[in-house]
Amino acid sequence: NAGVTQTPKFRILKIGQSMTLQCTQDMNHNYMYWYRQDPGMGLKLIYYSVGAGITDKGEVPNGYNVSRSTTEDFPLRLELAAPSQTSVYFCASRLRVGADTQYFGPGTRLTVL
Amino acid sequence: DAKTTQPNSMESNEEEPVHLPCNHSTISGTDYIHWYRQLPSQGPEYVIHGLTSNVNNRMASLAIAEDRKSSTLILHRATLRDAAVYYCILGTNAGGTSYGKLTFGQGTILTVHP
Repeated sequence: NAGVTQTPKFRILKIGQSMTLQCTQDMNHNYMYWYRQDPGMGLKLIYYSVGAGITDKGEVPNGYNVSRSTTEDFPLRLELAAPSQTSVYFCASRLRVGADTQYFGPGTRLTVL
Repeated sequence: DAKTTQPNSMESNEEEPVHLPCNHSTISGTDYIHWYRQLPSQGPEYVIHGLTSNVNNRMASLAIAEDRKSSTLILHRATLRDAAVYYCILGTNAGGTSYGKLTFGQGTILTVHP
């Protein structure tokens, strides 16, 4: 299994541009999450999904959108990029909540200039 | 969400044991205690988790206080590769509005000296 994969690894955007961060997992996990991590800080939850077709906001959803059309894919869309969105973005998945492990992707480092 | 408190940083020497403390005085009866770590420039990785009893795995041991208000992650013989940020997190159950999200604090930066 590849686990959780994310593309791209790095990206530089200009203010006002849009982009989609891709996330795919091959473990047939129901739950998927998008986090962002600012320098020297812990991770903050942007959006999550409990299954295909079901998504909901986390702590910091403003400026982002998600969709979950399949179990495997959970893309994160940035509309009208702003410098405050400069961060490292991590996608994660887990089979079930409570005891189970959450698996993280390698991250996408995004800079908005 | 119940909160955890960890020291900002700790230091250890290679091949010595490391005890990383975590306080979680407002833990609820159904919260699991999870430990993740994040190596430089990588995503977090699972270390260990437990509910009430002490737990061991190939990476570490988790000692949970009898009242569950604190726990300690134990690395039995630290290596240079164990230098990372260690996060102690309370894992919420499904149901309600939490949906199993992990709430990350700032964690403990572990430095391992050769």
